[in-house]
Amino acid sequence: GAVVSQHPSWVICKSGTSVKIECRSLDFQATTMFWYRQFPKKSLMLMATSNEGSKATYEQGVEKDKFLINHASLTLSTLTVTSAHPEDSSFYICSAPLRTDTQYFGPGTRLTVL
Amino acid sequence: GESVGLHLPTLSVQEGDNSIINCAYSNSASDYFIWYKQESGKGPQFIIDIRSNMDKRQGQRVTVLLNKTVKHLSLQIAATQPGDSAVYFCAESANTGGFKTIFGAGTRLFVKA
Repeated sequence: GAVVSQHPSWVICKSGTSVKIECRSLDFQATTMFWYRQFPKKSLMLMATSNEGSKATYEQGVEKDKFLINHASLTLSTLTVTSAHPEDSSFYICSAPLRTDTQYFGPGTRLTVL
Repeated sequence: GESVGLHLPTLSVQEGDNSIINCAYSNSASDYFIWYKQESGKGPQFIIDIRSNMDKRQGQRVTVLLNKTVKHLSLQIAATQPGDSAVYFCAESANTGGFKTIFGAGTRLFVKA
């Protein structure tokens, strides 16, 4: 089946630093990818839609200057958490559609901000 | 606004019994529904899906039922096994929404041996 990878799988950083998370579709191309965040024992919350070759579309309440998204190629989207703070600590998950609607999810990235 | 929710946050079943996990959705425009399984520390894993022109779909040991009249979705797992223990999410998407997938609150399934 379709495979989506994320890197790194976990990261610990100091408050005020920026962290980049990569999402790759390994065996298919994706013009659109999605970024979610998940707090412990909570559901996945959609943050933004990453569009190859154009600007990302952010969900209401998500700061676009805080969470920078770049979709540089048909197999790679990156999420950069800028000036991270402890409240940004979360599990970040990306997904990519193989066809128009079936989403395949990455394994997630655990971010801990000290 | 759009929302997908679950009635039961936790479900405990005996190994070998059948499990039923329920979900309610509110967006009438949703035309595609998916059940995902998530194990601790991992991303969601696709289980089964159903489109709005169907009311039932079966997979291996799993069945999804869709009742559009009351906007209700359920996942049935037959002969539940310890390996089925996880959090299950229903999710919805709509063609008009750019195929964004919106997740429900999730149900944690415990399987007792």
